Amino acid sequence: DGGITQSPKYLFRKEGQNVTLSCEQNLNHDAMYWYRQDPGQGLRLIYYSQIVNDFQKGDIAEGYSVSREKKESFPLTVTSAQKNPTAFYLCASSATGTGANVLTFGAGSRLTVL
Amino acid sequence: GDSVTQMEGPVTLSEEAFLTINCTYTATGYPSLFWYVQYPGEGLQLLLKATKADDKGSNKGFEATYRKETTSFHLEKGSVQVSDSAVYFCALMAPRGSARQLTFGSGTQLTVLP
Repeated sequence: DGGITQSPKYLFRKEGQNVTLSCEQNLNHDAMYWYRQDPGQGLRLIYYSQIVNDFQKGDIAEGYSVSREKKESFPLTVTSAQKNPTAFYLCASSATGTGANVLTFGAGSRLTVL
Repeated sequence: GDSVTQMEGPVTLSEEAFLTINCTYTATGYPSLFWYVQYPGEGLQLLLKATKADDKGSNKGFEATYRKETTSFHLEKGSVQVSDSAVYFCALMAPRGSARQLTFGSGTQLTVLP
């Protein structure tokens, strides 16, 4: 079955460390996204990519970095510059073009900074 | 800018009760409207959507009608089950927008008791 795989599901980090969250999709979607979810809040867009080797900042990109070297993969690095990284991170993908407005989400990665 | 306002939770109901979760929006033109559901420990799944005024989206017994005159997209279900316990997110996409332009509400936690 097609879908999005995020790993790891849980991750613990010490302050000052960078961590990378993996996101892989086999839906043949062109567009991929990273969202951050905090308790009682909606989803906030971190980065998105509509095509390989291209990506744009979302609403809260500071302290994060991404790459899009393959269509299937969109890893997110949470750097030490991110002041409050403890959160639930969701990766999503979608087709592009007219009417392509539905996101498919992965199961998420929960990052805790110790 | 675009925004989505959802009724605050948490909402607790007994099994077979009637459910309404209110959602109102602010946007120019005719956005597309969505309800996503997040089960515990998982990512979001599309529940239903509507793309033009007076459209009714429906799925798994849930319904929502796109009301342009009241800028609303309230989620309803006639008889909830314990398995409906989840967080529900209302979202909108600007007209002719890509999935990048999804705006989410803050989510409403629903707990259904047996």
